[in-house]
Formats: sequence, structure tokens, C-alpha cells
Amino acid sequence: QVQLQESGPGLVIPSETLSLTCLVSGDSITSYFWNWIRQPPGKGLEWIGYIHSDGSTKYNPSLESRVTISVDTSKNQFSLKLRSVTAADTAVYFCAREGPIFGVVTDWGQGTLVTVSS
Amino acid sequence: DIQMTQSPSSLSASVGDRVTITCQASQDINNYLNWYQQRPGMAPRLLIYDASTLQRGVPSRFSGSGSGTAFTFTINSLQAEDIATYYCQQYDKLPLTFGGGTKVEIK
Repeated sequence: QVQLQESGPGLVIPSETLSLTCLVSGDSITSYFWNWIRQPPGKGLEWIGYIHSDGSTKYNPSLESRVTISVDTSKNQFSLKLRSVTAADTAVYFCAREGPIFGVVTDWGQGTLVTVSS
Repeated sequence: DIQMTQSPSSLSASVGDRVTITCQASQDINNYLNWYQQRPGMAPRLLIYDASTLQRGVPSRFSGSGSGTAFTFTINSLQAEDIATYYCQQYDKLPLTFGGGTKVEIK
């Protein structure tokens, strides 16, 4: 049973960079696609992007200019960086596993709330 | 981006009722549609993929149907533990996009 756990600062200053890591346990990160999805308080879900263990990435065009997702297979984890954040980036950030069917997100972390505020 | 429109945005039903939620895609997505359940304070949980295939371990009172642009999600015999927000999500094209959600409450 795969488990995903997000970690990172809960508070980020406007204009700075949001950085989160997702530690994967119970399965190797060398398969499937590994996603970041966010949910502003009281609102719906927004897909941020994914990475495969081979390093290939796809991002939501609405965020692509500010997002980088990377993977560290030696630590079985992947990471999110979101630059130049504003209050609109305040959200619960989920890491999640997609696959084996492309586009089907089968396993999710518990989520971590990141607040952007000075 | 493909827009996903869910209705209703909320509903209230009694235990034992049949509950139906609809999801409309802005273009043909074949059957590339998932349904998720999100209980309060929790992460979403995959219930149905490929529009109608039940994920392992999901109770059979949940079902889905549809193809193209119109999809339906049904809970047969609503249970108290089904209180949650339900989301549809398309995976025909990137970016993956979600419906706005349907909040289900017990009357």
C-alpha cells in the first residue's frame, strides 16, 4: 500500500518561493506519474502538474511559468517549487500518484496547508 | 482547457435515498472521466474511473455512467458515511480538470 506524505513550510511570504516535498513509501517512485494538486480553502481542485521518474514533466499552463517539479529517485521523493507566490496561491497542496491508467489519480497524500502572507 | 460543469452544487437527501449528480464536459472526452469523494478535512478518494469502473474496495452502491460530454454519478441507498463533496475529473486532455464539486448532506 503506497503512502505519500507532504512536508514543507506552512507559511510563505508573498513574492517568495513555495517549496514542498512528497515522500513516497510502500512503493518505488520509479513507476507511474507523480502529481501535485491544490485546493484553495473552501474551493475546488486544481491540477498543478506531474513528473515521471524519468524526469519528464507536464504542467498546467496557468502555472507553468512559475512551477518546477523535480524527482529524487534515491530518496523516493518528489518536490514542488512555485515561484513568486501571492495570496491566491494559498491552498492545501496534495501530492498524489497517477497510474497505471494515465490520468487516474489513485493515491493521495493527506495534504498540507500553505498560507501566503506577510 | 476542458471545462467540467457539475450539478447540483449541493444537495440534501435522506438515508436510503438514491442520489444523482451530473457532470458535463465542454467537449467530447470519450469515457475518460473519474469520480472522487472528499470527506471533510480529508484528501480525495478515487471511486470510479473510465466513467463507470468501480475502483477496488469501493462499495457497489456507487456507480457511474455516460460518455462523450454527459456523465452521471449515482449513490444507491445513501448512507451517513457518504456525507462528502464529490468531484468529477476528465483525463482526455491535459491539463487534468475537475468539476466544481457537489456537496452531499443528510436531510
